Parts: sequence; C-alpha cells; structure tokens
Amino acid sequence: EAGVTQFPSHSVIEKGQTVTLRCDPISGHDNLYWYRRVMGKEIKFLLHFVKESKQDESGMPNNRFLAERTGGTYSTLKVQPAELEDSGVYFCASSLIMDTEAFFGQGTRLTVV
Amino acid sequence: GIQVEQSPPDLILQEGANSTLRCNFSDSVNNLQWFHQNPWGQLINLFYIPSGTKQNGRLSATTVATERYSLLYISSSQTTDSGVYFCAPDTGANSKLTFGKGITLSVRP
Repeated sequence: EAGVTQFPSHSVIEKGQTVTLRCDPISGHDNLYWYRRVMGKEIKFLLHFVKESKQDESGMPNNRFLAERTGGTYSTLKVQPAELEDSGVYFCASSLIMDTEAFFGQGTRLTVV
Repeated sequence: GIQVEQSPPDLILQEGANSTLRCNFSDSVNNLQWFHQNPWGQLINLFYIPSGTKQNGRLSATTVATERYSLLYISSSQTTDSGVYFCAPDTGANSKLTFGKGITLSVRP
C-alpha cells in the first residue's frame, strides 16, 4: 500500500511567485493534515481536512495560503504570492479517522529567494 | 495550547549504548506519537502510544498519561538510529499533533 506522497520534493521560487504543493493521502484516509517547519522552529500544524471539508484551519499563517481538497482525495496547498519567510518544509499527513495514528509524507522543501 | 518539552536536546552515543529520550507535556492527551526524522527529512512513525508500553525490536516506548510524560528507549544503538526524534501529543481538539523541538541523536561507530 502506498504511503502519503507529496509533490514536488523540492521547489525553489522567487519572492512574489506562486507555488502549489500537492499531497496524496493514503487511500481511504478521510483525514488530511498540513504541517510546516520553518527554519529553526518546531513543526507546526496548518490545517485539517475531513474528506473535502476544512475541519480546522487555525494554523494557516495568512490569506496568502490556500488549501483545497476537491473530491476528498488529494489536496493542494497554494502560496500566492510567496514571501521569504514561507521557506521551510511542508509536510502532509493522513489518518483513517480522527484521533488515530497519522502517517506523514516525505515533505516538500520550499525555498523562496 | 499544550506545551511539549523534549530532553535532552542533543545526545551523542557510542554504537551499542542504550538511551532514554523524554517527552513532557502540559495537558491531557488523547494520543501521542513518536517519530524519527531520518537524514533525508522523512518522518518515520515509531510508536502510536497514548498510554502504556509498546516494544518494537530494539525500541520501546512508555507513556504515563496521568503524569504527562512519555519515554522512548533505544537499546544497542546503531549508526542508523541517528537523526531527530520527535514526540507529538494530540489533545483531542481537532486531532492536531503538537510537536516538540526534537532530540538530535548521533550514534558514533
């Protein structure tokens, strides 16, 4: 069974550009989470989907970040326009139901220059 | 929100040694996970352990939820155990995990 997969693994973009990250959860997992780790900080929660609905987006830093999960399968996280402080590693995780073990993807390393 | 403290922040071991990594948390939790971040940055699930003790090979973990701590034991360490170890409890409020700062383990041959 495939694990959580994220694309791309690395992305380098210029300040002001747009970047879209993708996450494919484990098949059948209704819960999908985005986390990120910026330089020198802890891994922080961004948001949580249950199927296609946003359950909790309290961790989204500002309105330059937009997450979607159309059809309740894969999810995208778009940053527009990107700023230097957005650089970091973006992780996606999925779980079968709430309050159960979450499995993480390999992360997308985003560098904004 | 919940506070998570991991100790020690850094640990250097000689291959074959044993170690204990600690995670303290400030609030009641619904579950707790331990992860190993390998040199390629991937978070590998080690344990899902809201309470009690579990063992998997050379690794074992114990969570005492009533006293708000969890321990990860590594026995007969190997160089491949090197990396960063994270604990991440979930208070049950929307199932989000709160990560500690991690413990950087270096195992020398």
